[in-house]
Amino acid sequence: DGGITQSPKYLFRKEGQNVTLSCEQNLNHDAMYWYRQDPGQGLRLIYYSQIVNDFQKGDIAEGYSVSREKKESFPLTVTSAQKNPTAFYLCASSMAGFGSPLHFGNGTRLTVT
Amino acid sequence: AQKVTQAQTEISVVEKEDVTLDCVYETRDTTYYLFWYKQPPSGELVFLIRRNSFDEQNEISGRYSWNFQKSTSSFNFTITASQVVDSAVYFCALIIDYAGGTSYGKLTFGQGTILTVHP
Repeated sequence: DGGITQSPKYLFRKEGQNVTLSCEQNLNHDAMYWYRQDPGQGLRLIYYSQIVNDFQKGDIAEGYSVSREKKESFPLTVTSAQKNPTAFYLCASSMAGFGSPLHFGNGTRLTVT
Repeated sequence: AQKVTQAQTEISVVEKEDVTLDCVYETRDTTYYLFWYKQPPSGELVFLIRRNSFDEQNEISGRYSWNFQKSTSSFNFTITASQVVDSAVYFCALIIDYAGGTSYGKLTFGQGTILTVHP
């Protein structure tokens, strides 16, 4: 079955620690994205990548970093510089082209205390 | 800047009732796509429909129907004869053509509407 796998589903970290969220897709999609979801705020774009070894900042990139070394993988690191890291993080992918629907993973819920 | 407003934060209905989820958008661009996604309790967003700005035809898919009206900048979603399995958060989203066809993925989402269907 083709799809997007995010791991782990739940993640707990202490304040001041960096943490990396995994995202793998086997849909052969060129583009991948990271969104953050907070209660009552919809989804906000953190980073996106259209091709391997290239990525762009979204609307709320501060305190986050990404890499795109392989087409299938787009890990997100939440650094200690992110002021409010506790949130639900969703990874997505899409085919190239304007208006291509996004396919989402199951998400990772990160709690930082 | 673009904006999507889903004024209904939560809706509660009894099974078999019809329910309409409202979506109003703002953009100065003439070329854009609108989407509806469903987020069940499991967390992933499931794509339901895409509509481009040049196609105002309404669409029906089983119990689901969508009404796109450019005159009122609305893209409303109706579920007919609702079922408990329809309980989820529903998001409306918009993408504009930032750069000649290369702006895929930069969706603007509404805040979502929580739909609860009671048996």
